[in-house]
Amino acid sequence: GENVEQHPSTLSVQEGDSAVIKCTYSDSASNYFPWYKQELGKGPQLIIDIRSNVGEKKDQRIAVTLNKTAKHFSLHITETQPEDSAVYFCAASGNTPLVFGKGTRLSVIA
Amino acid sequence: SQTIHQWPATLVQPVGSPLSLECTVEGTSNPNLYWYRQAAGRGLQLLFYSVGIGQISSEVPQNLSASRPQDRQFILSSKKLLLSDSGFYLCAWSHGPEGGYTFGSGTRLTVV
Repeated sequence: GENVEQHPSTLSVQEGDSAVIKCTYSDSASNYFPWYKQELGKGPQLIIDIRSNVGEKKDQRIAVTLNKTAKHFSLHITETQPEDSAVYFCAASGNTPLVFGKGTRLSVIA
Repeated sequence: SQTIHQWPATLVQPVGSPLSLECTVEGTSNPNLYWYRQAAGRGLQLLFYSVGIGQISSEVPQNLSASRPQDRQFILSSKKLLLSDSGFYLCAWSHGPEGGYTFGSGTRLTVV
């Protein structure tokens, strides 16, 4: 089955800097790659997703890139703000339920 | 608009007691439904998913079971809780396996 690896597990950045979180997946049949943000004590919220027919997608300060050949996808957050502090999860799926990475705890230091 | 409700928010149960967590979805029909468990530092582990009434797929053999008695209702149960069942339980729904998942607010279960 699918296996998703996520790095780093923790990330601290200064406010205004960029943050990058990387994931790899194992199943070449996977074609849907969402990213979720989870704040303390809450359920994860979808922030952006990408499908295998697209290499990059942007939504304001957030972007996701996908390299299907290398089975890599990444989340880029620019101009980070304190409210970006949370745990971020990547996930992957084909025609099966989502498999999640173990999460990255992002801390934005003001 | 679609909403997902999950309750209770927190639960403290003794070892050996039964469990019932309920999840309901409003504003959509025939959703795919999921139960995930989140342990500290271990991400989200898929426990069960359902593509229709009475159709349950189990991902991990364990002390838990799931049922879907109605189209938009998903229940997670246990007859006898173990200490290892402690965790944060999340219900989610989607339109098919490749749609974005919407998660409920979760249930923090502590087995003592």
